[in-house]
Amino acid sequence: AQSVTQPDIHITVSEGASLELRCNYSYGATPYLFWYVQSPGQGLQLLLKYFSGDTLVQGIKGFEAEFKRSQSSFNLRKPSVHWSDAAEYFCAVVPGRNDYKLSFGAGTTVTVRA
Amino acid sequence: DAGVTQSPTHLIKTRGQHVTLRCSPISGHKSVSWYQQVLGQGPQFIFQYYEKEERGRGNFPDRFSARQFPNYSSELNVNALLLGDSALYLCASSLQRMNTEAFFGQGTRLTVV
Repeated sequence: AQSVTQPDIHITVSEGASLELRCNYSYGATPYLFWYVQSPGQGLQLLLKYFSGDTLVQGIKGFEAEFKRSQSSFNLRKPSVHWSDAAEYFCAVVPGRNDYKLSFGAGTTVTVRA
Repeated sequence: DAGVTQSPTHLIKTRGQHVTLRCSPISGHKSVSWYQQVLGQGPQFIFQYYEKEERGRGNFPDRFSARQFPNYSSELNVNALLLGDSALYLCASSLQRMNTEAFFGQGTRLTVV
């Protein structure tokens, strides 16, 4: 079955430490891949996206993600976390050119401790 | 420029009632999609409208319906509300049908009691 999996429900990280959020997808071909962030009570903000080309993509707020075809993964990273990065993070896919809808993972909640 | 605006921000309804949620996309965007986000889960696709026609529907019952107006704003209607319809309803707009860059509104928090 087609799916997007975020294995970590909750991650706690110290301010200034690095962060990596995992995302795996199960689709026949390489889908379009996205990471969104949602602060409490807010809508979703796009952090970055991957369609093709360079497998390391840069996004806003200092985030980057790496696409690994062999592992069907699209993990999100940030070298040094700030307290304002505490939020919920969603990996999402658009399966392909003929499938227009975003399919989201269940999300990972990030807590930042001082 | 104004982003995606949704109204109302919060509302409380009773089981069996009907609700209408509204969304105004970013100026120039012709695609509007609706998502339901139940607490603790990722958003689930409900509908997409593009150029005023329904282009896709998720796995939701017929109690859910939507439409898009000539100005590309959209309404989501839910009839015969159930407790399980309590969720954050998100609207997303994009320039084209493909959601290669979708912009989300703040959402409408619906509570059914």
